[in-house]
Amino acid sequence: AQSVTQLDSHVSVSEGTPVLLRCNYSSSYSPSLFWYVQHPNKGLQLLLKYTSAATLVKGINGFEAEFKKSETSFHLTKPSAHMSDAAEYFCVVNPNTGNQFYFGTGTSLTVIP
Amino acid sequence: KAGVTQTPRYLIKTRGQQVTLSCSPISGHRSVSWYQQTPGQGLQFLFEYFSETQRNKGNFPGRFSGRQFSNSRSEMNVSTLELGDSALYLCASSSRQGGTAPLHFGNGTRLTVT
Repeated sequence: AQSVTQLDSHVSVSEGTPVLLRCNYSSSYSPSLFWYVQHPNKGLQLLLKYTSAATLVKGINGFEAEFKKSETSFHLTKPSAHMSDAAEYFCVVNPNTGNQFYFGTGTSLTVIP
Repeated sequence: KAGVTQTPRYLIKTRGQQVTLSCSPISGHRSVSWYQQTPGQGLQFLFEYFSETQRNKGNFPGRFSGRQFSNSRSEMNVSTLELGDSALYLCASSSRQGGTAPLHFGNGTRLTVT
């Protein structure tokens, strides 16, 4: 069975401090993993993806994520938060058995000036 | 390359009516998926079409239906609208069936049922 758990529903950081958004997954297969960001009343924008190449993946806007198979985790990080990073973030898994994507429940990131 | 285009952006309907939403995928993308997003339930998968055939279906009642045309454009239809159908409906396209190609989302259609 496939599932995605985003460990924090809300994260609040000060501008200029690091961001950590946590994601754990369970998959019976070797999955592809993605992080998306959603700003209010917008669709989801792809931040980065892991598809069995390098375990440290760099994405847009300074975000990166590390795939740790032993911990079944795919946490999203950024060294220094900007006000424009305030949004909802989704961790997504595809078990690569078809085109079915499984979404986490989202983490709302607040950036305090 | 133009992104995924969804029309209309906003809709207000009355209970019992039906509604049709439209999605134009990124050029060359043959897979189109639909999702319903609500504050209470989050993102829920409705269905996926590839080459005009429904390939996957989520756990929604038969009032929700869709189709895909030969140019990969897709429509979804909701009949006999209920208040609980109020949501942001998102369409996503991808370049091929299979998990390594990411989904590319449109900005959604905000449906309000009164």
